[in-house]
Amino acid sequence: AQTVTQSQPEMSVQEAETVTLSCTYDTSESDYYLFWYKQPPSRQMILVIRQEAYKQQNATENRFSVNFQKAAKSFSLKISDSQLGDAAMYFCAYRRATGNQFYFGTGTSLTVIP
Amino acid sequence: DAGITQSPRHKVTETGTPVTLRCHQTENHRYMYWYRQDPGHGLRLIHYSYGVKDTDKGEVSDGYSVSRSKTEDFLLTLESATSSQTSVYFCAISFDRDYEQYFGPGTRLTVT
Repeated sequence: AQTVTQSQPEMSVQEAETVTLSCTYDTSESDYYLFWYKQPPSRQMILVIRQEAYKQQNATENRFSVNFQKAAKSFSLKISDSQLGDAAMYFCAYRRATGNQFYFGTGTSLTVIP
Repeated sequence: DAGITQSPRHKVTETGTPVTLRCHQTENHRYMYWYRQDPGHGLRLIHYSYGVKDTDKGEVSDGYSVSRSKTEDFLLTLESATSSQTSVYFCAISFDRDYEQYFGPGTRLTVT
């Protein structure tokens, strides 16, 4: 089975500053998808950003962007101009292009300090 | 927000009793998924469905069964609940396999 590793159980950032959350994954596939999901205290999982492995350009979504390093199997999430509402658990996820199953990391808890 | 509801939202049950969790969607999405979320494990896939009466096992399917008799409903059944099945259960949907998943609000199940 594929594995997804988030090595930072907890992170904190000052409001308006930038923070980067790390994610690495293990796969022998060449085509796959990567995702970042946010889980606020309400517990609902919210899609933040998605990256297709065949695309070299890093995905961006407003204040959220990724640094996708395919050779290094690294997929980090950068949050710019952090806001109090960004405080949540963030999960990195992987899915093979031809598969149905998502594999999730264990999550990073982000605290935003006013 | 995607139209996904889960019921019940909270349940406490005793070991050995059957439990059914329901996921209902109003989006007419083809794929539906059941996950469990436990500390230190993230989310793990239990079962998924790719159409009415079409289901398959995920990573942690032992002790669970599912059914999908209508596009909008996906049921997860614990035939005989055990304490190891205490968890938060999430349902998710996606339009098709290549699309991102949208999650329901979760169900907290406690087996005593």
